[in-house]
Amino acid sequence: GDSVTQTEGLVTLTKGLPVMLNCTYQTTYSPFLFWYVQHLNEAPKLLLKSSTDNKRTEHQGFYATLHKSSSSFHLQKSSVQLSDSALYFCALSPSSGSWQLIFGSGTQLTVMP
Amino acid sequence: GALVYQYPRRTICKSGTSMRMECQAVGFQATSVAWYRQSPQKTFELIALSTVNSAIKYEQNFTQEKFPISHPNLSFSSMTVLNAYLEDRGLYLCGAREGGAGERLFFGHGTKLSVL
Repeated sequence: GDSVTQTEGLVTLTKGLPVMLNCTYQTTYSPFLFWYVQHLNEAPKLLLKSSTDNKRTEHQGFYATLHKSSSSFHLQKSSVQLSDSALYFCALSPSSGSWQLIFGSGTQLTVMP
Repeated sequence: GALVYQYPRRTICKSGTSMRMECQAVGFQATSVAWYRQSPQKTFELIALSTVNSAIKYEQNFTQEKFPISHPNLSFSSMTVLNAYLEDRGLYLCGAREGGAGERLFFGHGTKLSVL
């Protein structure tokens, strides 16, 4: 079945360092991939989305490239800020008739001063 | 802009009682609504998918008898947790969207359910 895997549950970094949060997926359909960010006591908000193979998509300093050959959609940022501390979810929407959004288990990013 | 208002933000109910939560979409047509429960460990469980003028589809382990959902129009959806017990605790989120698989879900702030 369709699934999303985020291997890191917790990532702690010092401000200014680069970060990469891993996301791989499994589906037999042509997928849409999303990254959602959830700050403490807030609703999840869309950060990035893509369905185009090998095309980098960027928003608010974060970027990700969908690689269908490796079924990956890793989230990166070159220099993290304190305000980036949040829960990050990778999500998959198979382009089948069902439009459901399948979430990964999430990665808690904590940025230290 | 597009927003989803969800209320109440927090609720406490006694074991065995029921509580209702509501979502209001503003600025777009919520043709589809997904209800999720986020566990204390932060993982998402999909409860059900609702599309206006279509049957509501419940995921395994969730039933209409326990989590009845109403989605009467393009701006409103509600879900009730009937006979709530400790295992029903968590943050309930509604996500709404207009369009197909590639469209983003707009989430409400969630309803945090505590059961005494």
